[in-house]
Amino acid sequence: NAGVIQTPRHKVTGKGQEATLWCEPISGHSAVFWYRQTIVQGLEFLTYFRNQAPIDDSGMPKERFSAQMPNQSHSTLKIQSTQPQDSAVYLCASSEQGSDEQYFGPGTRLTVL
Amino acid sequence: AQSVTQPDARVTVSEGASLQLRCKYSYSATPYLFWYVQYPRQGLQMLLKYYSGDPVVQGVNGFEAEFSKSDSSFHLRKASVHWSDSAVYFCAVSPNTDKVVFGTGTRLQVSP
Repeated sequence: NAGVIQTPRHKVTGKGQEATLWCEPISGHSAVFWYRQTIVQGLEFLTYFRNQAPIDDSGMPKERFSAQMPNQSHSTLKIQSTQPQDSAVYLCASSEQGSDEQYFGPGTRLTVL
Repeated sequence: AQSVTQPDARVTVSEGASLQLRCKYSYSATPYLFWYVQYPRQGLQMLLKYYSGDPVVQGVNGFEAEFSKSDSSFHLRKASVHWSDSAVYFCAVSPNTDKVVFGTGTRLQVSP
C-alpha cells in the first residue's frame, strides 16, 4: 500500500499561469478530499468526492479553482490564472466507505511567483 | 457552523515531561472529534477519535484525549513526551464522518 500519492511534490508557477495538481487515493477508498494548508489560514477544506461524485465544494474559491475525479484512481485540482496568494501546500486525503479516518498524502507545495 | 480553536500555536516541553495540548470546539450537538499529527515532510495521520461513551480515549504512541461537554473541549495529553513527538498537532471536528474542520494546529517542540 503506497498510501495517497500526490504529484508533483513541488510546483512553481508564474502569476497568471495554470496549475494542475494530481492525487491518487488509496486503492478501494471511496472518498477523496482536498485541503489547502497555509501558515496564516491553517488547514482549509476545499472540496470532496464520494464514489467520484462531487459532494461538497463549499471551500473552493469559485472563480479560478476546479476539481474533478474522472475515475476512482485519481482526482485533479486545477487552478487557473494562479495568484501569489494561491501559494500553499495542497493536501489530498482519502477514506474508505463508512470510515471516518482520512489518510493524507504528503501534499503538493505550490509556489506562485 | 462548527469550528475548532487551538489557542497555543507553539508549545515547548522537555523530553520526559508531561504534555497537554488544548482544543476547544464549537458545535450545537456533540460532534465527532479527532486529533491528527503532522510530522515534518509527511502527511497528517490520525492519533485518536471520539464519538461517544468514555470521555477519555486512547490513541497511538501513548497519547490520550479527554472530551468535556460542559467545557466544549477535547484536550490531548501524554504522560511523558519523547523527542520524536515533535510535530504539528491538529484538533478536528466533524458533524458526521465526511467533512472535517481542522484547527490551526499546535507546533510541539520537545527539547532534550
